[in-house]
Amino acid sequence: QSALTQPASVSGSPGQSITISCTGTSSDVGNYYLVSWYQQHPGKAPKLMIYEVTKRPSGVSNRFSGSKSGNTASLTISGLQAEDEADYYCCSYAGSYTYVFGTGTKVTVL
Amino acid sequence: QVQLQESGPGLVKPSQTLSLTCTVSGGSVSSGYYWSWIRQPAGKGLEWIGRIYTSGSTNYNPSLKSRVTISLDTSKNQFSLKLTSVTAADTAVYYCARDRVGASYFDSWGQGTLVTVSS
Repeated sequence: QSALTQPASVSGSPGQSITISCTGTSSDVGNYYLVSWYQQHPGKAPKLMIYEVTKRPSGVSNRFSGSKSGNTASLTISGLQAEDEADYYCCSYAGSYTYVFGTGTKVTVL
Repeated sequence: QVQLQESGPGLVKPSQTLSLTCTVSGGSVSSGYYWSWIRQPAGKGLEWIGRIYTSGSTNYNPSLKSRVTISLDTSKNQFSLKLTSVTAADTAVYYCARDRVGASYFDSWGQGTLVTVSS
């Protein structure tokens, strides 16, 4: 059970859109519609942003959206804002009642 | 709004057992959710450790399974983590989190507690 692969960093200017990829295998991301995304500011606990690939919890901005194609899930942040600067982690159900997280992506707002 | 709070020793000696408790408020550990432990070494990513269901059934990360026990105390509305034979590699911030049954995501998290393994 290896960690899902994410780019170490992604950056964008305010107002732009960025996309973070999360690549797994046919045993996790590719086999289940159970990918979630978490935002983590320094020194804080992670916050759920997307669940079941595309769903947004109540209170999360609609600037955040998720998708999946094959073994790769993606998180898109549109209309990038300074407050979006944080670390982002994907997570997938990996079968046999286990989970695997992504390696994490640092988002920088230029 | 459910709230979770981790507690336990911040320093554990190598080869000893790490023990943490998560106290749940604003909800019940018997309410039909999974309750998970997740950890994060400094500057690194998140690692799922394991979870326990309301019924007491457990699931563990295969890489940690031989050293981990998660238990439930419904009378205190708490669940606990024990990790045996710790080494410096187990130094991390440990989070407890609520895990939605059938949906596989963590919708509520504790603030995290730092556990350092050192002599």
